[in-house]
Amino acid sequence: AQSVTQLGSHVSVSEGALVLLRCNYSSSVPPYLFWYVQYPNQGLQLLLKYTSAATLVKGINGFEAEFKKSETSFHLTKPSAHMSDAAEYFCAVSQPGGSQGNLIFGKGTKLSVKP
Amino acid sequence: SQTIHQWPATLVQPVGSPLSLECTVEGTSNPNLYWYRQAAGRGLQLLFYSVGIGQISSEVPQNLSASRPQDRQFILSSKKLLLSDSGFYLCAWNRDRAYEQYFGPGTRLTVT
Repeated sequence: AQSVTQLGSHVSVSEGALVLLRCNYSSSVPPYLFWYVQYPNQGLQLLLKYTSAATLVKGINGFEAEFKKSETSFHLTKPSAHMSDAAEYFCAVSQPGGSQGNLIFGKGTKLSVKP
Repeated sequence: SQTIHQWPATLVQPVGSPLSLECTVEGTSNPNLYWYRQAAGRGLQLLFYSVGIGQISSEVPQNLSASRPQDRQFILSSKKLLLSDSGFYLCAWNRDRAYEQYFGPGTRLTVT
């Protein structure tokens, strides 16, 4: 069965510092992977997606993620944090060819940005 | 462009009362539709999904039900709410054969 593990439920960085949010997945076949961002009391917004093309994926708001098959990871990074990046981030996996609705989410990582 | 709406935005209901949450999508036809519940510290739980009018699949046994009376309308209901039904309910959609999903603004439900 597929699963997603996000290491660290809370991450705190200073403004201007590197953001690194970790995501590891478990899948029996090459997966499709996604990062979503959620601001308080709002829905989820798609940041970026990996669908078996380039392993380094660029998304909105300066975020990017790299698919590493050998490490079963899809970590999210941003070179320089901004106050507006404070939010909760969710990693998700979907198995190509799987049943409809098969989008499995991690439990989320809350990012705080200190001035 | 496509837009997804949910209402109400917030709802406070007593235990045992009925529930009806509505989700509609604009700008596309025959979308796949999903209901999720989000509880603190537990991520997102898929409750129902639908690939067409009248076609509902349930992922988790509970006292909730879903219906899809029109192509772009998805309704989440309950006859009698429980305290454990409190949470943030999110509706999402995607195109057939697409995997990324697009989410609505959510409904915050508090059962008292």
